[in-house]
Amino acid sequence: KAGVTQTPRYLIKTRGQQVTLSCSPISGHRSVSWYQQTPGQGLQFLFEYFSETQRNKGNFPGRFSGRQFSNSRSEMNVSTLELGDSALYLCASSLEVVAGGSYEQYFGPGTRLTVT
Amino acid sequence: QKEVEQNSGPLSVPEGAIASLNCTYSDRGSQSFFWYRQYSGKSPELIMFIYSNGDKEDGRFTAQLNKASQYVSLLIRDSQPSDSATYLCAGGAPGGSQGNLIFGKGTKLSVKP
Repeated sequence: KAGVTQTPRYLIKTRGQQVTLSCSPISGHRSVSWYQQTPGQGLQFLFEYFSETQRNKGNFPGRFSGRQFSNSRSEMNVSTLELGDSALYLCASSLEVVAGGSYEQYFGPGTRLTVT
Repeated sequence: QKEVEQNSGPLSVPEGAIASLNCTYSDRGSQSFFWYRQYSGKSPELIMFIYSNGDKEDGRFTAQLNKASQYVSLLIRDSQPSDSATYLCAGGAPGGSQGNLIFGKGTKLSVKP
């Protein structure tokens, strides 16, 4: 089956602009999570969506937002971009954990955002 | 400040040896733990998920969780050069939910032929 896709793969924006990133999960996966990865801070959790609802949110300012559509596709938006927002943004789709402890999660290739 | 700490390495082991990666966490509320492998320039891959005290085995990988001592470890048996990567530990909310997920900075593993 097709993997997690993210668009665009690369993006260059200017400070103050806004950006929207898109993530299409694996078919059948209803949970989508977003992460930011930088050399300095490592991998950090942004938010998690399940069935169009934000289930969890990481410790990021309100400039970072997201949503999930009925087909489980998700978007994240960053407004008023700052230089420090330059990072690799990853999304991952996962199956809801069921009794027995199995968990399935796959990451997309990421969107490399550069803010100048 | 909730933290997940890992030795940054590099941890170097010979091919065929057991690689032992350790992780400690500060948040006693963390209930689920994840181990990810990330090759240079690639996205992370989930290799182990554990939420119960004790050991969980999957092929050459064994995750061990000790909630009383607040540590989780990953053993890789019969290490192969293809296991050379950065291993990330993360602790999160119950049930595998990504809530409150905190990542360690990763341990770089090098398996020498």
